[in-house]
Amino acid sequence: EAQVTQNPRYLITVTGKKLTVTCSQNMNHEYMSWYRQDPGLGLRQIYYSMNVEVTDKGDVPEGYKVSRKEKRNFPLILESPSPNQTSLYFCASTPTGEEIYEQYFGPGTRLTVT
Amino acid sequence: AQSVTQLDSQVPVFEEAPVELRCNYSSSVSVYLFWYVQYPNQGLQLLLKYLSGSTLVKGINGFEAEFNKSQTSFHLRKPSVHISDTAEYFCAVSDKGVQAAGNKLTFGGGTRVLVKP
Repeated sequence: EAQVTQNPRYLITVTGKKLTVTCSQNMNHEYMSWYRQDPGLGLRQIYYSMNVEVTDKGDVPEGYKVSRKEKRNFPLILESPSPNQTSLYFCASTPTGEEIYEQYFGPGTRLTVT
Repeated sequence: AQSVTQLDSQVPVFEEAPVELRCNYSSSVSVYLFWYVQYPNQGLQLLLKYLSGSTLVKGINGFEAEFNKSQTSFHLRKPSVHISDTAEYFCAVSDKGVQAAGNKLTFGGGTRVLVKP
């Protein structure tokens, strides 16, 4: 089954404790993104990657890091989480090509930072 | 820069009644338009998309949307809702013609639809 998976689905942590949220897709997509969802703000792009070893900042990158060492994986790293990073996080992937702009979303990771 | 405005944050509606969710966008370039649905405790699922051609787009679960370029709108409609349509709905746009920023989607703030029996 074609899908985007994220782990963990739920995470409660404390301020300053480094964490990683994993994202993996099995569709051989070139593009991958991370979004955060906050009430009333919709989803906002954190980082994106257009291929292996090619990453760039989205609209709200502060406090986050990413890496893309393999095509299928795109982990999101919070080196020193803070309470304002409490949010619902989505990973997404999309293929390249003409007229292909649909993003495929993972199930989400709900992060609480206390 | 692009922006998307969903004019209603919540829409209560009775079962079998019609519903319209409003979406307006602003962009300096041509855009593709999308509606996504998020059921409780789930991820986002694509309802429909407008890329080109007919301005009336039909999607899954009986939803349709109409692209109006002059009014920069992409309103979503369903003629008769079911309890199972209770969800949050997001309108989104992405740049047309250039696959920049990983095909970044710019989302509206979402509209919560609550279908009452």
